[in-house]
Amino acid sequence: ETGVTQSPTHLIKTRGQQVTLRCSSQSGHNTVSWYQQALGQGPQFIFQYYREEENGRGNFPPRFSGLQFPNYSSELNVNALELDDSALYLCASSLRDRVGEGSYEQYFGPGTRLTVT
Amino acid sequence: QKEVEQDPGPLSVPEGAIVSLNCTYSNSAFQYFMWYRQYSRKGPELLMYTYSSGNKEDGRFTAQVDKSSKYISLFIRDSQPSDSATYLCAMIPSGGYQKVTFGTGTKLQVIP
Repeated sequence: ETGVTQSPTHLIKTRGQQVTLRCSSQSGHNTVSWYQQALGQGPQFIFQYYREEENGRGNFPPRFSGLQFPNYSSELNVNALELDDSALYLCASSLRDRVGEGSYEQYFGPGTRLTVT
Repeated sequence: QKEVEQDPGPLSVPEGAIVSLNCTYSNSAFQYFMWYRQYSRKGPELLMYTYSSGNKEDGRFTAQVDKSSKYISLFIRDSQPSDSATYLCAMIPSGGYQKVTFGTGTKLQVIP
């Protein structure tokens, strides 16, 4: 059983640019959630994808968007980068049987550290 | 006021001590309570998961939930230097699989 992987590990971007982060979910998992973790803070929920559809979103602007693919891997896209977007971006995968039910256990990847200058 | 409050520490204890980590919350809809451990520059690792009120024990770790007080705790017995990490509490409301709310994390250092 493979764990959650994320790429790239580190990334440096300039304000105003766009970035795409990638996540491969744990084998057998069908749900991916994305989180932003600023230094010294807990992770903040961005959104969740279940069976290729966004299924819940936190308090993040529309320039944060995502995709989930048929193999349940996922991308997080951030447009018009701002300095405050500098953070560790975490993805977590889980197995969810159907809407509203399923395991609440999420398994996190190592994260992508994004620096915006 | 944040939905979940957690003392950021740092908390320093000698090896072998009993550690108590706590979170308070304001949203009475929270039903699922988790504790994660996060080592520096790593993703969080799920330690304990509890539904509603009560206690749960797993080896040296005990999680307690008191919904009437909106207070959760994690106890670590016989603490080891390898327990040095940041501990995050996390909560999900009933029917709210979509959103996990985390505390800010407590940094723990166990001194040999």
